[in-house]
Amino acid sequence: QSALTQPASVSGSPGQSITISCTGTSSDIGSSNYVSWYQQHPGEAPKVIIYDVFNRPSGVSNRFSGSKSGNTASLTVSGLQAEDEADYYCYSYTDNNLRLFGGGTKLTVL
Amino acid sequence: QVQLVESGGGVVQPGGSLRLSCTGSGFTFSINGMHWVRQAPGKGLEWVAAIRNDGSITRYADSVKGRSTISRDNSKSTMYLQISSLRVEDTALYYCAREDWALAGRSLDVWGQGTMVTVSS
Repeated sequence: QSALTQPASVSGSPGQSITISCTGTSSDIGSSNYVSWYQQHPGEAPKVIIYDVFNRPSGVSNRFSGSKSGNTASLTVSGLQAEDEADYYCYSYTDNNLRLFGGGTKLTVL
Repeated sequence: QVQLVESGGGVVQPGGSLRLSCTGSGFTFSINGMHWVRQAPGKGLEWVAAIRNDGSITRYADSVKGRSTISRDNSKSTMYLQISSLRVEDTALYYCAREDWALAGRSLDVWGQGTMVTVSS
């Protein structure tokens, strides 16, 4: 079980859009409609912001969007705000019903 | 309000064992699958184990399989994780998290604040 691959860091200026990729294999992301994304601020528990590839939980800003193509899932954050600065993790079911997290991406708002 | 509270962490010597607990409140605990997720200091999230709502099915990450047991007592709204043969690399903040298919699909929609496990001699 290797972690899903995410860039270690991304950055953007306020108002811009950024995309974080999450690459897996045909045994996890490629065969799963159950990809979710989590935002974690320092010292806090993670918070789900996207579930089942592209759905947003109630109360989550529509500036967050998710998608998937093949073995890669993506999280896009549009209209960057200072409060978006955090760590972001992808998460997927695998074909043997286990779960995997990505290594995490630190988003810096310049 | 919906809440998960972990307990049972502490400092343990290598080779020792520990039982973590996670108690839920504010929701019907018996209808939700539950998970343990850990985070080593300064590192990313690692999924550890999961248990079906009725306890009939369990799953484990390779890193803990064979030395961990996840269980639950729905009458107490509590989930447990017993880990034995602890290693230094098991040092982490252990979170419990809920899966609610109706509210947030197959994601972990509610998290506790975590309980710290330190494995050290």
